[in-house]
Amino acid sequence: GQQLNQSPQSMFIQEGEDVSMNCTSSSIFNTWLWYKQDPGEGPVLLIALYKAGELTSNGRLTAQFGITRKDSFLNISASIPSDVGIYFCAGQLRYSGGGADGLTFGKGTHLIIQP
Amino acid sequence: DAGITQSPRYKITETGRQVTLMCHQTWSHSYMFWYRQDLGHGLRLIYYSAAADITDKGEVPDGYVVSRSKTENFPLTLESATRSQTSVYFCASRFNRGREQFFGPGTRLTVL
Repeated sequence: GQQLNQSPQSMFIQEGEDVSMNCTSSSIFNTWLWYKQDPGEGPVLLIALYKAGELTSNGRLTAQFGITRKDSFLNISASIPSDVGIYFCAGQLRYSGGGADGLTFGKGTHLIIQP
Repeated sequence: DAGITQSPRYKITETGRQVTLMCHQTWSHSYMFWYRQDLGHGLRLIYYSAAADITDKGEVPDGYVVSRSKTENFPLTLESATRSQTSVYFCASRFNRGREQFFGPGTRLTVL
C-alpha cells in the first residue's frame, strides 16, 4: 500500500513552546486530514484540507496542504498540557464518491509536554 | 447525540474462540470502516462497507468477517481468534460524499 512518512515520531517539549510536525509521501493526495488521539480513545478529527496550498486554522492549530500535494504540515502554537497525545496525518489518494476513500495513515507523532 | 459507539470497550478471549465486536452509528452515514491499531503499524483498514449489504476487503482482512444488514450497525467477527489479533479495533464512518472519517472510542481485544 501507499506509505505516509510522518515525523517526528515523538516530541518532548516545554509548555508554551510551538510544535511542528509533517507528513510526506511519494504519492499525490487530494485530501489531507489531521487527527489527535488521546490515551484510550479513538482519533478525533482536528483539521481537513482539500486543496493544494490551503492553510487552515482551528484555534491554536494550523495545518497546510503542500503545494506539491505530497505533503502536509501541522503546527501547534503555545502548547498546553492538554495537547499531549498522538497526532496522525491521513491522506486520501482519490475521491471517487462511490468507493472506498483510500485513506492512508501516518504512524503518528507522540507529543509529550513537560511542565 | 451518541454519534458512533463500540462495544465492548474491552474484551479478553482465548485462542480459537469466536468474538464479535459491535459498531453502531446514529448519523446515517453510508460508509463504515473497521481498523486495527498496532504499535509500529499505525491504523490499518480491515474491511469497509459502502452501504447496507455492501462490504469489501481492506488491507488486512484475513481472519475477519463483517456484515451490514442495517445501515447503522457494522459488526466485526473474528471467527477463530488468534494471538496475532490482539489489538485495538476502531470503527469509523463517513457520509457518502464526505471525505472525513469519524472514529469510535475503540475496543481493546486481548487473545490469550
